[in-house]
Amino acid sequence: QVQLHQWGAGLLKPSETLSLTCTVYGGSFTENYWSWIRQPPGKGLEWIGEISHRGSPNYNPSLKSRVSISVDAFTHRSPFTHQFSLKLRSVTAADTAVYYCASLWVGGNWFDPWGQGTLVTVSS
Amino acid sequence: EAVLTQSPAILSLSPGERATLSCRASQSLSTNVAWYQQKPGQSPRLLIYDASNRASDIPARFSGSGSGTDFTLTINSLEPEDFAVYYCQQRTIWPPTFGQGTKVEVK
Repeated sequence: QVQLHQWGAGLLKPSETLSLTCTVYGGSFTENYWSWIRQPPGKGLEWIGEISHRGSPNYNPSLKSRVSISVDAFTHRSPFTHQFSLKLRSVTAADTAVYYCASLWVGGNWFDPWGQGTLVTVSS
Repeated sequence: EAVLTQSPAILSLSPGERATLSCRASQSLSTNVAWYQQKPGQSPRLLIYDASNRASDIPARFSGSGSGTDFTLTINSLEPEDFAVYYCQQRTIWPPTFGQGTKVEVK
């Protein structure tokens, strides 16, 4: 059973780089795509991108020029804990949103489970 | 990009009533549609995958149907905890997209 826990800075200034990390507990790291999805306040959901366990990323064309997703197979804590990260460069107020990490099984087309979400506010 | 249009935007119902939510796609998705429930301050929760399969621990009052471009989420006999926002989602056409959501509110 996969569980996701995410963290990162919640307040940024315009032009800074958003950086979030999601730790994966349990399940199979190799049988899932690891995704980032965001939700502006009061609005709907936008898929940002995903990465495989091998480190091959796919990005939403609308954000591709500014986003990068990477995977860290192991952490110093445990060989059974994995992490993946999101970086979004040159943020503006339009990037203010709750950012979620999520898991997608390689044989399916749905996101489950989701991380707890991180509100990132961009303000000068 | 596949656009998912959900209707209605807001559905006002009383507990015990049936809710019928629609998701229409701009391109054929076969049965590759998922539905999520989101409550205020919470992450989305998977309800239905592959158009009609209930996710683990989802009550039987939730059901999904449809194929191609028209999909429906039905909630039989609304419980108080079912009042929330519901999203449909696809990953057949790149990039993955979500509908804009339907809010089910207490009448």
